[in-house]
Amino acid sequence: AQSVTQLGSHVSVSEGALVLLRCNYSSSVPPYLFWYVQYPNQGLQLLLKYTTGATLVKGINGFEAEFKKSETSFHLTKPSAHMSDAAEYFCAVSFSGSARQLTFGSGTQLTVLP
Amino acid sequence: NAGVTQTPKFRVLKTGQSMTLLCAQDMNHEYMYWYRQDPGMGLRLIHYSVGEGTTAKGEVPDGYNVSRLKKQNFLLGLESAAPSQTSVYFCASSSLAGGPYNEQFFGPGTRLTVL
Repeated sequence: AQSVTQLGSHVSVSEGALVLLRCNYSSSVPPYLFWYVQYPNQGLQLLLKYTTGATLVKGINGFEAEFKKSETSFHLTKPSAHMSDAAEYFCAVSFSGSARQLTFGSGTQLTVLP
Repeated sequence: NAGVTQTPKFRVLKTGQSMTLLCAQDMNHEYMYWYRQDPGMGLRLIHYSVGEGTTAKGEVPDGYNVSRLKKQNFLLGLESAAPSQTSVYFCASSSLAGGPYNEQFFGPGTRLTVL
């Protein structure tokens, strides 16, 4: 069975600092990987996704993530944090033939300090 | 184009009461999903549907039932609510076209409290 682990339920960074949110997955078959963001009192929206091909994926709002098969990781980064990045971030995985079912990590709450 | 909408936004129930949550999407998506979100646990799939008239169990289906009589609507029912069902419920939809990596579009959520 597949699983997703997000290290760090809460991460705080200063405005302008690097954002690094960690995600590791467990899977016996090639996964499709996603990062979703949830702003307060809203639903989730897609930041970026990895399907096949280039392992460095760029998303919205300056975020990017790199798929590292050898490390079973898909960490999310942003070079310079902005106050508007404060939100909860979820890593998720799905598989071919899974009816597009997503398995989510437990989430990381990002706080951006002025 | 409203996307995915959920009704109601908030609800308080007493133990043993029943209710139905309504999800509607206007994107002509084939796939629809119900998740619950609990602190520190991410989102967990309750039930899903791959088309009108079909439903399937997800990770945490006990205590819930669903129906998809129309393509655009997906209903989640609680027959006898329990305090353990206090949660935020999200509906999502995605398109059949493309591949299994299609984006899921989420509604704004329903916050349910069971006393």
